[in-house]
Amino acid sequence: QPVLTQSSSASASLGSSVKLTCTLSSGHSSYIIAWHQQQPGKAPRYLMRLEGSGSYTKGSGVPDRFSGSTSGADRYLTISNLQFEDEADYCCETWDSNTRVFGGGTKLTVL
Amino acid sequence: QVQLQESGPGLVKPSGTLSLTCGVSGGSISSSDWCIWVRQPPGRGLEWIGEISHRGSTSYNPSIKSRVIVSQDKPKNQFSLELTSVTAADTAVYYCARSEGGSVVYWGQGILVTVSS
Repeated sequence: QPVLTQSSSASASLGSSVKLTCTLSSGHSSYIIAWHQQQPGKAPRYLMRLEGSGSYTKGSGVPDRFSGSTSGADRYLTISNLQFEDEADYCCETWDSNTRVFGGGTKLTVL
Repeated sequence: QVQLQESGPGLVKPSGTLSLTCGVSGGSISSSDWCIWVRQPPGRGLEWIGEISHRGSTSYNPSIKSRVIVSQDKPKNQFSLELTSVTAADTAVYYCARSEGGSVVYWGQGILVTVSS
């Protein structure tokens, strides 16, 4: 079954950009993933679906500042013009016919 | 707009059974990809528990498969989770969710379930 690896933490300054990474395990580099945002004390929120081609589809109401991209087994979430409200945990998800997997999440701090 | 709402006891005794229900509004579960349960222990990441398709097929996390049942009630437009033989390690916020195109798209607000005597 696939495994998703994420860095535990990241930080960036207000108004700057940050690129978060989710890496698929060997043999699963073509898998589609989804990115979710979880602000402190809140339920997760779906951000986007990201394919191996780099094509992504965002959820309803997700700001244009959020975008996705792909390189091999790596799936990226880029947040531009960082706002304090973007300080949150960001988690990736993938699935196949018999399983669903979440990455450990990256805690983003906005300085 | 699809909305999900978890309900059930917030406190369960050790060795007991955790039972939760997820009510769905704004869309029929009969048209869902999958109806899903996910949990998050305090201070930790998301863990998939299991899910059920609109046809009634189920899939479970192998780590807890022997203790889990996910079921659905289409007339009531809701689905449920049963987790047996609970211990303190099962203390978590439990989320119900729905997928579209494979991924989770809709999340419930979550319910904290504490296992304690």
